[in-house]
Amino acid sequence: GQSLEQPSEVTAVEGAIVQINCTYQTSGFYGLSWYQQHDGGAPTFLSYNALDGLEETGRFSSFLSRSDSYGYLLLQELQMKDSASYFCAVRGYSSASKIIFGSGTRLSIRP
Amino acid sequence: SAVISQKPSRDICQRGTSLTIQCQVDSQVTMMFWYRQQPGQSLTLIATANQGSEATYESGFVIDKFPISRPNLTFSTLTVSNMSPEDSSIYLCSVEGAGGPEQFFGPGTRLTVL
Repeated sequence: GQSLEQPSEVTAVEGAIVQINCTYQTSGFYGLSWYQQHDGGAPTFLSYNALDGLEETGRFSSFLSRSDSYGYLLLQELQMKDSASYFCAVRGYSSASKIIFGSGTRLSIRP
Repeated sequence: SAVISQKPSRDICQRGTSLTIQCQVDSQVTMMFWYRQQPGQSLTLIATANQGSEATYESGFVIDKFPISRPNLTFSTLTVSNMSPEDSSIYLCSVEGAGGPEQFFGPGTRLTVL
């Protein structure tokens, strides 16, 4: 079967760094994506890793280890607006375009 | 990028009725995807809609319950048929950006079934 596991909730302080982990087990794999979703909003794309290693986009970085079926999203210099749900998603579990989402991590930022 | 609109944005329906949700994209795309999201939960893929062919449904979803149309490369509809309160959810359509891997999502349709 297909499964992606991530923590349900994470709390962090404004200005700090937080890491959200994701482990996956899928029948097919092209890459690991991360999406952000604010309450009442649509998911928006943050990053994508097809190969092992770290991808950096501003304050956000994402890491993938294909051999460990593991990835993480790293958020630096946290801001209150980063309070949202974060989903890891595997691309290509049955075709290159389909993605399956993890259960989501709700990130709460404290002042 | 792709800009996606959905209609209606929300609706309250009686059990046993059907609702058709429209999804319009501002550019031509090969595949469109329909998701369901319960409040506070993850997104579950319902089906993939290709223009000119029948939609491909994921396990647990059937065409009789969720018929999909894809008349052209910029438009799709999802019908939720014979609704029950368990169908209350947010329904989202999405498309893949040119060259992938980013998917763009519509704003969603919040459905409440009484």
